[in-house]
Amino acid sequence: SQTIHQWPATLVQPVGSPLSLECTVEGTSNPNLYWYRQAAGRGLQLLFYSVGIGQISSEVPQNLSASRPQDRQFILSSKKLLLSDSGFYLCAWSRPPDTVAFFGQGTRLTVV
Amino acid sequence: DQQVKQNSPSLSVQEGRISILNCDYTNSMFDYFLWYKKYPAEGPTFLISISSIKDKNEDGRFTVFLNKSAKHLSLHIVPSQPGDSAVYFCAASPGAQKLVFGQGTRLTINP
Repeated sequence: SQTIHQWPATLVQPVGSPLSLECTVEGTSNPNLYWYRQAAGRGLQLLFYSVGIGQISSEVPQNLSASRPQDRQFILSSKKLLLSDSGFYLCAWSRPPDTVAFFGQGTRLTVV
Repeated sequence: DQQVKQNSPSLSVQEGRISILNCDYTNSMFDYFLWYKKYPAEGPTFLISISSIKDKNEDGRFTVFLNKSAKHLSLHIVPSQPGDSAVYFCAASPGAQKLVFGQGTRLTINP
């Protein structure tokens, strides 16, 4: 069966510090990978998605970047965090042609 | 531009009654629609979906209805149970690609 791992579960970082969140998927190959953010009281906003190694599409201009160094690994990064980067970050995967996406447990990021 | 909208941020329903959650969309290219359930501090879990070629899909207590002419879908839960209390998100996709989510509706089931 397929599983998705996302870590850490919670993170408190000072403004201006770097960020690296990692997500890995097991039990499937060539998945589509996604990073979403849920800001307080808001819906799920798609940040990045990837259809293959090294292929990243950015949905919104922001202070974040994503990379996919391996088929089942997706990394969300920032060089300098802003207060507005606080939120609940979710990694997800889907296996084309299926549309259903399966989510990790999320990372609660608080920038102070 | 919010392409998927859930206009009710919250809904309260008595246990045993029917819960109806609504969702509207604007993009005519969406051809697949999904509902997810989310508990606090957890990732969303997939509930039920419907293709644009159908107008109804049922799975146990959950039924999703799609009205393409109105660009509207709804999720019916009957009978509602306390464990159904969560935030529900509708999502839409244009051709097996990325999912666009609504803002969510917090459902509370009262005993």
